[in-house]
Amino acid sequence: GESVGLHLPTLSVQEGDNSIINCAYSNSASDYFIWYKQESGKGPQFIIDIRSNMDKRQGQRVTVLLNKTVKHLSLQIAATQPGDSAVYFCAEKAPGGYNKLIFGAGTRLAVHP
Amino acid sequence: GAVVSQHPSRVICKSGTSVKIECRSLDFQATTMFWYRQFPKQSLMLMATSNEGSKATYEQGVEKDKFLINHASLTLSTLTVTSAHPEDSSFYICSARIGQDEQYFGPGTRLTVT
Repeated sequence: GESVGLHLPTLSVQEGDNSIINCAYSNSASDYFIWYKQESGKGPQFIIDIRSNMDKRQGQRVTVLLNKTVKHLSLQIAATQPGDSAVYFCAEKAPGGYNKLIFGAGTRLAVHP
Repeated sequence: GAVVSQHPSRVICKSGTSVKIECRSLDFQATTMFWYRQFPKQSLMLMATSNEGSKATYEQGVEKDKFLINHASLTLSTLTVTSAHPEDSSFYICSARIGQDEQYFGPGTRLTVT
């Protein structure tokens, strides 16, 4: 079936560097994508979203890029901080009723001082 | 912002007993809530979609008689794990939908079945 996947299972970066987390999706009909951050033992926390009629959206220190041609999504975190250490999930809204989300496998981001 | 709570945060139960987990939207009404389970180091897997005033819609492979969902009001959905077994031990997370697309997640409930 359709699924959302990630290229990198873990990512280690130095504090202050920029981080890029990638995600591939397979459902070309998906029109809404979200990035979530999950810290250990907690629920996912909304970071940023993007609709398919856009290719870039910026938030505070985060940017999401959407490439519909190759069905690729990325999350860029500027000036990565130790507090950014967590697992990051991309999710796509499944076409059809109820607007349920399909989650990717997740990438663990480890920020080293 | 939108806040979703879950209760309890942790629960330990004996095999064969039932456990109820509550999911509440604290500052908004949610006609649709979702229940997920997450095993260690894995992603979230959708179990069912809970709609206020109607029967839940279960994902393929999820036993509806084992995981009872009740969405009794616009701010409360409950998940009851019936006749729990050790393999049901997991992290259960709910979310509530705002508007057409956005979902906000609860903090999760860690279930351990001994």
